[in-house]
Amino acid sequence: AQKVTQAQTEISVVEKEDVTLDCVYETRDTTYYLFWYKQPPSGELVFLIRRNSFDEQNEISGRYSWNFQKSTSSFNFTITASQVVDSAVYFCALSETGAGSYQLTFGKGTKLSVIP
Amino acid sequence: EAEVAQSPRYKITEKSQAVAFWCDPISGHATLYWYRQILGQGPELLVQFQDESVVDDSQLPKDRFSAERLKGVDSTLKIQPAELGDSAMYLCASSLVGRGKPNTGELFFGEGSRLTVL
Repeated sequence: AQKVTQAQTEISVVEKEDVTLDCVYETRDTTYYLFWYKQPPSGELVFLIRRNSFDEQNEISGRYSWNFQKSTSSFNFTITASQVVDSAVYFCALSETGAGSYQLTFGKGTKLSVIP
Repeated sequence: EAEVAQSPRYKITEKSQAVAFWCDPISGHATLYWYRQILGQGPELLVQFQDESVVDDSQLPKDRFSAERLKGVDSTLKIQPAELGDSAMYLCASSLVGRGKPNTGELFFGEGSRLTVL
């Protein structure tokens, strides 16, 4: 069975600090997708990134970057120069492609508070 | 930009009452999911539809929960009777899976329906 672990329940940083959110996953599939979603106080889940299991290239998008390492089953997310607007709950999720179901299994989330 | 629509945004009900949530996915999306998110937890899948058919409802508490997507478009999730432990955010999501189009595996989520059972 698939599982996603986000060991950090809550993180607080001062604005402009860098912060890394950890994600460790378990799956038996060789083909899978990994995701990060942001959930602001309004409640909607906002898609940030998708990675497939065959693409271990790290990705950078503005102040956001992701480090995917299959050897350690980790998909960590770094925010550089954090801003107050980054305050939210961040979820890592895993989607196995068996039977084409693409169901997402979420971690429990990391609540990030950026203090001005 | 196309969105997943959900209603109501907020619902307060007393235990043992019936409650229903509605979801209208992005046009053309074949797959529809209902997730439940308890406060402080990640969302958990309740039911998945492919068009009008249920693909997976193994986590749906069928003694009190029901879900339907009669015409393969919008969907309704019902709880009867509601219990205190049902207080949660109910999220609907949709994806292109099954329409013969390139699939990114991405789910698009609505804003959710927050249920409080008193």
